[in-house]
Amino acid sequence: ETGVTQTPRHLVMGMTNKKSLKCEQHLGHNAMYWYKQSAKKPLELMFVYNFKEQTENNSVPSRFSPECPNSSHLFLHLHTLQPEDSALYLCASSQERSSYNEQFFGPGTRLTVL
Amino acid sequence: AQSVSQHNHHVILSEAASLELGCNYSYGGTVNLFWYVQYPGQHLQLLLKYFSGDPLVKGIKGFEAEFIKSKFSFNLRKPSVQWSDTAEYFCAVNGQGAQKLVFGQGTRLTINP
Repeated sequence: ETGVTQTPRHLVMGMTNKKSLKCEQHLGHNAMYWYKQSAKKPLELMFVYNFKEQTENNSVPSRFSPECPNSSHLFLHLHTLQPEDSALYLCASSQERSSYNEQFFGPGTRLTVL
Repeated sequence: AQSVSQHNHHVILSEAASLELGCNYSYGGTVNLFWYVQYPGQHLQLLLKYFSGDPLVKGIKGFEAEFIKSKFSFNLRKPSVQWSDTAEYFCAVNGQGAQKLVFGQGTRLTINP
């Protein structure tokens, strides 16, 4: 265990559904991240939050909507997704303003869009 | 733009063979370098990291990596692999003090018993 938990671990949804992914870190970090891991592609950074403020949006479509109510929790709200959005969504956390910025990853949510 | 290249997409070895996975990066500045491993059905976990100092870095489970600045490389090695090393391996880099971690495409390692 890395101290980063994600729920649900698996999610199947239709294109018209609305669902949310949840991430929680127990490491006392102040930065959190969403990544997308698709087959045969590098991990893609989606969003970065520092001290609850979004500091990076890596040109992610608006059908993905992040929310960070506090430094320990991060959500990814999903609506009207496309089949190509099926992937493993990973959450990570780190201590911002550390020289090293080692990121700790959760187990991911395996999302399938039908 | 920053990028990381892992040239080996799928490597198949027998147990006890020696391993070297290549990683080259493109980054204009001082870097931190990481190797992460993802065992089947498990989360990404850190194998080893380089921040500064001795360019030969030792990690968990007998892995090591060498930072060669002149070659922009950070290759991962293990002298004798085990079946349990079957996993996907990711090289990653960020600039010192920077948050954005750039990953390579990953190398799938299969160890045959």
